[in-house]
Amino acid sequence: KAGVTQTPRYLIKTRGQQVTLSCSPISGHRSVSWYQQTPGQGLQFLFEYFSETQRNKGNFPGRFSGRQFSNSRSEMNVSTLELGDSALYLCASLAGYSDTDTQYFGPGTRLTVL
Amino acid sequence: GIQVEQSPPDLILQEGANSTLRCNFSDSVNNLQWFHQNPWGQLINLFYIPSGTKQNGRLSATTVATERYSLLYISSSQTTDSGVYFCAVEAQSGGGADGLTFGKGTHLIIQP
Repeated sequence: KAGVTQTPRYLIKTRGQQVTLSCSPISGHRSVSWYQQTPGQGLQFLFEYFSETQRNKGNFPGRFSGRQFSNSRSEMNVSTLELGDSALYLCASLAGYSDTDTQYFGPGTRLTVL
Repeated sequence: GIQVEQSPPDLILQEGANSTLRCNFSDSVNNLQWFHQNPWGQLINLFYIPSGTKQNGRLSATTVATERYSLLYISSSQTTDSGVYFCAVEAQSGGGADGLTFGKGTHLIIQP
């Protein structure tokens, strides 16, 4: 069974630009969660999508958005990039039918904002 | 929201040593996972353990839900065990609305 895939793995952008990251969950999983990891704030929950609907949302500004497609693949978008958005962005795949699901993480996308 | 504290923050051991990593949490949980983050940043699942005890090879974990802590044991450490170990929880009260809340991690270095 293939694992969670994220593309691209590395990305360099400049302030003010926007970026789109992609995550494909494990086959059969219907939920995708996104997390941001920075040295200062650690790992923080961004949002979760289930069956194309945002189910939960963390405490991030509206510049961070996401969506999920009918095949469960998810994208997250960050508009008007700031230097502080430089981070490792991780997505997690879970079956999505229970709040006791195990979350399986992808390899991450490392975003650098210059 | 729920608070997660991990200790120790850093741990340096010789190959072959045993170690115990601790995770304290401030509220009842319905999900607790231990992860190992490899040098490339990927989080590798070690255990899903909201309560009870589990073992997988040289690793084992115990969660005492009533006392709000979990322990990860690593026996006969190998250099490949080096990395950051995270505990992550989901509060029962959140109903799944808050995602996983991570501790700050324990940075483990195993020296040959």
